[in-house]
Amino acid sequence: GQSLEQPSEVTAVEGAIVQMNCTYQTSGFYGLSWYQQHDGGAPTFLSYNALDGLEETGRFSSFLSRSDSYGYLLLQELQMKDSASYFCAVRDRTDSWGKLQFGAGTQVVVTP
Amino acid sequence: EAGVTQFPSHSVIEKGQTVTLRCDPISGHDNLYWYRRVMGKEIKFLLHFVKESKQDESGMPNNRFLAERTGGTYSTLKVQPAELEDSGVYFCASSQVGYYEQYFGPGTRLTVT
Repeated sequence: GQSLEQPSEVTAVEGAIVQMNCTYQTSGFYGLSWYQQHDGGAPTFLSYNALDGLEETGRFSSFLSRSDSYGYLLLQELQMKDSASYFCAVRDRTDSWGKLQFGAGTQVVVTP
Repeated sequence: EAGVTQFPSHSVIEKGQTVTLRCDPISGHDNLYWYRRVMGKEIKFLLHFVKESKQDESGMPNNRFLAERTGGTYSTLKVQPAELEDSGVYFCASSQVGYYEQYFGPGTRLTVT
């Protein structure tokens, strides 16, 4: 079957670094996205990896290894506002820029 | 630029009733998607429009769900008749053709009692 696995929760203190992993098993693969969702809010796009390697955007970095069907999102210099759910999502088609398959999300709890 | 908007934000209905959810995508976005998140589980794809055409409706659970996109602008998702298992948060997202980033609306929380 098709699945994306993420740890359910990660707790870290302000200023720390947290890494959230995502392993996937899908019928096709054309890219891995990460979305952030605060309670009751809309998921918002963070990053996208189509090729192996690390992408950095400010305090956020995302990594992909296609051979290992694995990726991670790294958050540095954690702030209280980073407390949210983080979802990885796979795009499994190239035509029509279609659907995303989401993992169940990792709840990040930042403590003072 | 206005974001994706959804109406209503919350809806509580009884089993057997009908509910219609509305989504207004970002202007100029030809791609429109519907997703659903049932409590504690992953966000699941329902269907994808390109302009007014259904590109992929493989995620629609059954024929009680009907989605339309009039004139390639706003979209509606009707559930008729609603069942208890339809409860969840329904998200709409839109994107430009050729771009991988999807912009999500705040969702409609549907509770069927």
